[in-house]
Amino acid sequence: QVQLVQSGAEVKKPGASVKVSCKASGYSFTKYDINWVRQAAGQGFEWVGWMNLETGDTEYAQKLQGRVTITRDSSISTVYMEVSSLRSEDTAVYYCARNGMGDYWGQGTLVTVSS
Amino acid sequence: DIVLTQSPDSLAVSLGERATINCKSSQSLLFNYNNKNYLAWYQQKPGQPPKLLIYWASTRESGVPDRFSGSGSATDFTLTISRLQAADVAVYYCQQYYTRPLTFGGGTKVEIK
Repeated sequence: QVQLVQSGAEVKKPGASVKVSCKASGYSFTKYDINWVRQAAGQGFEWVGWMNLETGDTEYAQKLQGRVTITRDSSISTVYMEVSSLRSEDTAVYYCARNGMGDYWGQGTLVTVSS
Repeated sequence: DIVLTQSPDSLAVSLGERATINCKSSQSLLFNYNNKNYLAWYQQKPGQPPKLLIYWASTRESGVPDRFSGSGSATDFTLTISRLQAADVAVYYCQQYYTRPLTFGGGTKVEIK
């Protein structure tokens, strides 16, 4: 069955970087795009970025431009999202989701930025 | 960016009654080339990721009960829960995938009256 399994919770200090992984299984990895979305506590959703897993093309939210990078390792069916120069407002649960319509989601990774 | 405005913010409905949630888009989500509306509906329960209910505005995802239905086109969309059950207590979101950045409505909290 299709699964997206994300790495565990992270606690980081302001200015540090965090790298979250999303391992896909149960389908052909490069056939579907991956989007990253975040949700602050008690809030709605904010799109972070996108990758075409076949071509490696990426697009990022303008708000995070220059601080977020999405990469992939097709040999292990894993997508990574890295956010640098972390700020307190980056504290959120980060999700990977397959496809624009989000037919499958990872379980979420809580990233806490605190001094 | 496309702005999605959901209403109401919250809704209390008696068990077995109908719940209706609206989602209005600042731009048309209808792609004329394939006549599809690029709008999805999700259900989110506390501590869980969103669950896809409806895509292409009206196509029910596999395994989703038929009491959930989506309708609408272009800029105005509706999610209807025809006979509310206790398991349907959750926050519901609309989301457009017509263009990036993907954007979401603000959510509608559905509770039992």
